[in-house]
Amino acid sequence: GNSVTQMEGPVTLSEEAFLTINCTYTATGYPSLFWYVQYPGEGLQLLLKATKADDKGSNKGFEATYRKETTSFHLEKGSVQVSDSAVYFCALSDRGGYGANSKLTFGKGITLSVRP
Amino acid sequence: DVKVTQSSRYLVKRTGEKVFLECVQDMDHENMFWYRQDPGLGLRLIYFSYDVKMKEKGDIPEGYSVSREKKERFSLILESASTNQTSMYLCASTPTGTFSYEQYFGPGTRLTVT
Repeated sequence: GNSVTQMEGPVTLSEEAFLTINCTYTATGYPSLFWYVQYPGEGLQLLLKATKADDKGSNKGFEATYRKETTSFHLEKGSVQVSDSAVYFCALSDRGGYGANSKLTFGKGITLSVRP
Repeated sequence: DVKVTQSSRYLVKRTGEKVFLECVQDMDHENMFWYRQDPGLGLRLIYFSYDVKMKEKGDIPEGYSVSREKKERFSLILESASTNQTSMYLCASTPTGTFSYEQYFGPGTRLTVT
């Protein structure tokens, strides 16, 4: 079946540091890939997505490139802010089954803390 | 903006009680989902529904049931709550049409079973 593996956390960085959060996946076919973010006390919200190989998703200074050859979708940001402190989830879509065309498989999530 | 609301942010119930968690979305989405979120385990799919009165089991359906009588409302039911069902429960919705659509999440219900 499908699976998503995220690097172990938590991650603590100083403000303006460079961020990389690794994500690799296993899937049949060609899934869509997503990064979701969960700020303290809130539900998840979409951060960015990529729907085919070599696509780059970007939002709020974050970027991730869909690498089919390495089955990866690593999240990067050049200069993190305190307000980026949150839990980050990598996810992929499931194309199979009637009505299940938007079922997501999530990684375990990683907590990012950014100190001033 | 899409809005997904959940009936309670925090809930405390006793072991053996029947518990209802309600989710409502206002964007006429066909698909709705219930997840539980636990530290170190990420989000795990409990049940989903792709149409009114339709439901499918997710990865961890044991101990749960669902109801979808109206398109906008998806209820999660714990028939007899147990302490191992203490968790954060998240509802989500998405339209049908393409697997590249994002899911829209509610704020979550933190359930404690004592």
